[in-house]
Amino acid sequence: EAQVTQNPRYLITVTGKKLTVTCSQNMNHEYMSWYRQDPGLGLRQIYYSMNVEVTDKGDVPEGYKVSRKEKRNFPLILESPSPNQTSLYFCASSGGGLAGPSYEQYFGPGTRLTVT
Amino acid sequence: DAKTTQPPSMDCAEGRAANLPCNHSTISGNEYVYWYRQIHSQGPQYIIHGLKNNETNEMASLIITEDRKSSTLILPHATLRDTAVYYCIVRVADTGRRALTFGSGTRLQVQP
Repeated sequence: EAQVTQNPRYLITVTGKKLTVTCSQNMNHEYMSWYRQDPGLGLRQIYYSMNVEVTDKGDVPEGYKVSRKEKRNFPLILESPSPNQTSLYFCASSGGGLAGPSYEQYFGPGTRLTVT
Repeated sequence: DAKTTQPPSMDCAEGRAANLPCNHSTISGNEYVYWYRQIHSQGPQYIIHGLKNNETNEMASLIITEDRKSSTLILPHATLRDTAVYYCIVRVADTGRRALTFGSGTRLQVQP
């Protein structure tokens, strides 16, 4: 089954304790992205990646890092989490690429992060 | 990206067609109409997209007016599992950042 998986689904942590949220897709998509969703603010893009070793900032990259060492994986790293990073996080992937446009994005189930 | 306007909420009886409207009067010639939905706190789900012609897939149909200033998403036989917030997005089909921005959408409640 074609899917985007995220782990963990729920995480409660304390300020300053480094954490990684994993994202994996099995559709051989070149493009992957991370979003956060907050009430009243909607969906905001954190980082995106056009291919292996190619990453770039989205709208709200501060406090986050990403890496893309393999095509299928795109982990989100919070090196020193703070309470304002409490949010619902989604990973997404998409086909197409530089050779042509993409019309849809496939989202993971979400990771609900609470930083105390 | 063109601005879209959707009703904040709609009800539909189970088994009946759900028709969700979207106004996008400032749409440009190279902008597509996309529909996504989000079931409570789950990942958004792509439904369908179109440029000028009406489109149909296994989930829904998309009817775009001839002037492209509005469109309607049709779920032909709504089920309780279709209860969700539906987002209409108008944008180019880009190869770059592809950031999705959802407006407030239409909250569809399918009633038994």
